Amino acid sequence: DTAVSQTPKYLVTQMGNDKSIKCEQNLGHDTMYWYKQDSKKFLKIMFSYNNKELIINETVPNRFSPKSPDKAHLNLHINSLELGDSAVYFCASSLATGELFFGEGSRLTVL
Amino acid sequence: AQSVTQPDIHITVSEGASLELRCNYSYGATPYLFWYVQSPGQGLQLLLKYFSGDTLVQGIKGFEAEFKRSQSSFNLRKPSVHWSDAAEYFCAVGAFTGGGNKLTFGTGTQLKVEL
Repeated sequence: DTAVSQTPKYLVTQMGNDKSIKCEQNLGHDTMYWYKQDSKKFLKIMFSYNNKELIINETVPNRFSPKSPDKAHLNLHINSLELGDSAVYFCASSLATGELFFGEGSRLTVL
Repeated sequence: AQSVTQPDIHITVSEGASLELRCNYSYGATPYLFWYVQSPGQGLQLLLKYFSGDTLVQGIKGFEAEFKRSQSSFNLRKPSVHWSDAAEYFCAVGAFTGGGNKLTFGTGTQLKVEL
């Protein structure tokens, strides 16, 4: 029983394409997140949703659009992919005042 | 704005030796502090957390960390390292905001264990 699951785990695509990463959590948490880990392993928050409402939106290009159909799902759609978007994207969830539980990551490679 | 510094990019220890990974934070209020571990190709697993109370916190896999407010530090320790502890370790400070916990991570310390 995977607590936070992301699909796909690997994604290889061409510049200019549009792609989506899906995330689901079965922990009953109210809050979900997307983090980006770059090639130097630096982790930075991108977005956070609480009960389907956007609560954190860091300075991320508007080519990135998160969508939360319900509090157990948070998907990330990326338009017009660029080389610099290559990274590992982590989904996470938490209670409002708790620690984050992370998925295994989705490695995106833009060629 | 909060920030975390992990001054050691790489650390190598012999199996069985003790370990201390350093973490310094900057935060205007009472910090919520975390240590996560990431094995190659894996997600991040929580080792331990500090919210309040006892400044020495115990975590999983035999790890502990001590919160020192005067030094703005939250160093991770283990008395005897196992080869399976080789991984990347991240310290983070959390800010509860609007129903979420915004974690700011340090740049990580890669631990190598010599057999």
